[in-house]
Amino acid sequence: GAGVSQSPSNKVTEKGKDVELRCDPISGHTALYWYRQSLGQGLEFLIYFQGNSAPDKSGLPSDRFSAERTGGSVSTLTIQRTQQEDSAVYLCASSANRGRVLHFGNGTRLTVT
Amino acid sequence: AQRVTQPEKLLSVFKGAPVELKCNYSYSGSPELFWYVQYSRQRLQLLLRHISRESIKGFTADLNKGETSFHLKKPFAQEEDSAMYYCALSDTGANSKLTFGKGITLSVRP
Repeated sequence: GAGVSQSPSNKVTEKGKDVELRCDPISGHTALYWYRQSLGQGLEFLIYFQGNSAPDKSGLPSDRFSAERTGGSVSTLTIQRTQQEDSAVYLCASSANRGRVLHFGNGTRLTVT
Repeated sequence: AQRVTQPEKLLSVFKGAPVELKCNYSYSGSPELFWYVQYSRQRLQLLLRHISRESIKGFTADLNKGETSFHLKKPFAQEEDSAMYYCALSDTGANSKLTFGKGITLSVRP
């Protein structure tokens, strides 16, 4: 079956604009994760969903970042008033059970100019 | 708090040489440890997990609770092993997440 799908694959935006990043997890996977991958920083946890609820939002860097998940499936990560330091690859992953094997998407490369 | 430390950013070896990618963790509970790999232009994927105790692509990793380490080893490196490797930790609690180290780039030269 299809793996985790993320769109867009690349996004260039001007500083101050809002962006939405989309993640389609593997069908039937209840857990969904967002990570940020920056050069030299490794993988930074942002938020975790179990079903439609987010029991752990501890990694969201500021209140400009938010995420939602609907129907226990698609998730959207929104960054408002983007800043240059938001430039990174945003990775989504899903898992059939909590905290175990994660299946990653190809990521969205965000560039804020 | 959970923490994963990969002390080196880059390891460069010749083909056929042994490889050891270091990983240390900090966690007070009962962790699960993983190694994930990202080959060039491919998505991040699971390489192995400690509870499986299996060898994948010739790689092994043993959890050493005394030293809080989970080093990844391969006796004879191949060029196709060149990739970015991440060590990760998950607790076994109800609302667990995976905490990753900063990763290490392995370069295997011919």
